[in-house]
Amino acid sequence: QTVVTQEPSFSVSPGGTVTLTCGLSSGSVSTSYYPSWYQQTPGQPPRTLIHTTNTRSSGVPDRFSGSILGNKAALTITGAQADDESDYYCALFMGSGMVFGGGTKLTVL
Amino acid sequence: EVQLVESGGGLVQPGGSLRLSCAASGFTFNAYTMNWVRQAPGKGLEWISYISSSSGTIYYADSVKGRFTISRDNAKNSLYLQMNTLRAEDTAVYYCARGTYGFGYWGQGTLVTVSS
Repeated sequence: QTVVTQEPSFSVSPGGTVTLTCGLSSGSVSTSYYPSWYQQTPGQPPRTLIHTTNTRSSGVPDRFSGSILGNKAALTITGAQADDESDYYCALFMGSGMVFGGGTKLTVL
Repeated sequence: EVQLVESGGGLVQPGGSLRLSCAASGFTFNAYTMNWVRQAPGKGLEWISYISSSSGTIYYADSVKGRFTISRDNAKNSLYLQMNTLRAEDTAVYYCARGTYGFGYWGQGTLVTVSS
């Protein structure tokens, strides 16, 4: 069974730029997987950041952007702020349902 | 404003059953695919089921296939998840979420605890 992979953790300095990735244990991620990205803080439901590779959800600042980088989907955060410290999940449409990655814990320090 | 409100969670014994509901408002419910996603305590998100706008297409994750049944009532703007033969590993917050290739809107979730 194909597994969706994410970095378990990442850190970024305030004001810095970070790119989180979303890959497949076998194969490459393309736009055909409709990659999406979600931000979650403890005790809250997920917040949708990006859908269909690079479309920002309503109200999401343009500091967040989605793309395909090489064989992975990517979420880039520019000008990182303290309240960006969260868990970030990607999800891929696999033809008969969605699969989430294991999530990346982002620390801003 | 889009709103999704889950209900029906609670404590149930292993082997028991529970039915979750999700009340939708603020959008044309019968035009959208809906999903259930869960999150076990301290763990990541897990998609578990998908139902198309007309109920014509339904998918399940392998972890719940044969035990859970998704359904919807477009006249009542409601989504359901019938959960049977519950196991301890089904303990999680269950979210309903709108979307076909991703989840544009989420509810606040309802907690299901499977324990004796």
